[in-house]
Amino acid sequence: IQLVQSGAEVKKPGASVKVSCKASGYTFTKSYMQWVRQAPGQGLEWMGIINPDGGGTSYPQKLQGRVTVTMDTSASTVDIELSNLTSDDTAMYYCALGAFDYWGQGTLVTVSS
Amino acid sequence: QSALTQPPSASGSPGQALTISCTGTSINVGRYDYVSWFQQYPGKTPKLIIYEVTKRPSGVPDRFSGSKSGNTASLTVSGLQAEDEADYYCSSYTGNNNYVFGSGTKVTVL
Repeated sequence: IQLVQSGAEVKKPGASVKVSCKASGYTFTKSYMQWVRQAPGQGLEWMGIINPDGGGTSYPQKLQGRVTVTMDTSASTVDIELSNLTSDDTAMYYCALGAFDYWGQGTLVTVSS
Repeated sequence: QSALTQPPSASGSPGQALTISCTGTSINVGRYDYVSWFQQYPGKTPKLIIYEVTKRPSGVPDRFSGSKSGNTASLTVSGLQAEDEADYYCSSYTGNNNYVFGSGTKVTVL
């Protein structure tokens, strides 16, 4: 099983960012995919989940309205988009399979003017 | 939802046992047996070491064990080793396909 994420991003405040996670080594529709982020020197924060079998999503209340998780079943990819970025969104973003059994390598998103 | 509460730091000597707590509420840790623990070295990706409160993934040493009582889950490292020096995080299912992480504990091996 492999989860390979897209490369680092630098964005200005107010912009949006999309991070991609390409999955392989298992049946894509059989396992949920989650997103977790970690600000520099801080702890882990759960950002959302998608069920690839149908596309149902769930997000924490704190990020409702700013975060969207989507999938492309044909490409075995799951994306997370975060809008209206602020410096507080500067973090390493991870995709994780199922109940966090496998993790992507992380994508650093930096928000700076 | 607020993060689960963990002690910021814990320490022990090699060979000792070390226990880290993870305190939630009746809507997460107290309600569901879906508590996981993760080990993270500086600059590295978190690694699952305990799932469903007590289960260990293949390859995780059996000196790592998990338990739960009421709203508090615990990770015990028996026979602490130098390589166990890392950050440890708990997580819990909170219903409606939502999850929450703990605040993290930095473990130091003296």
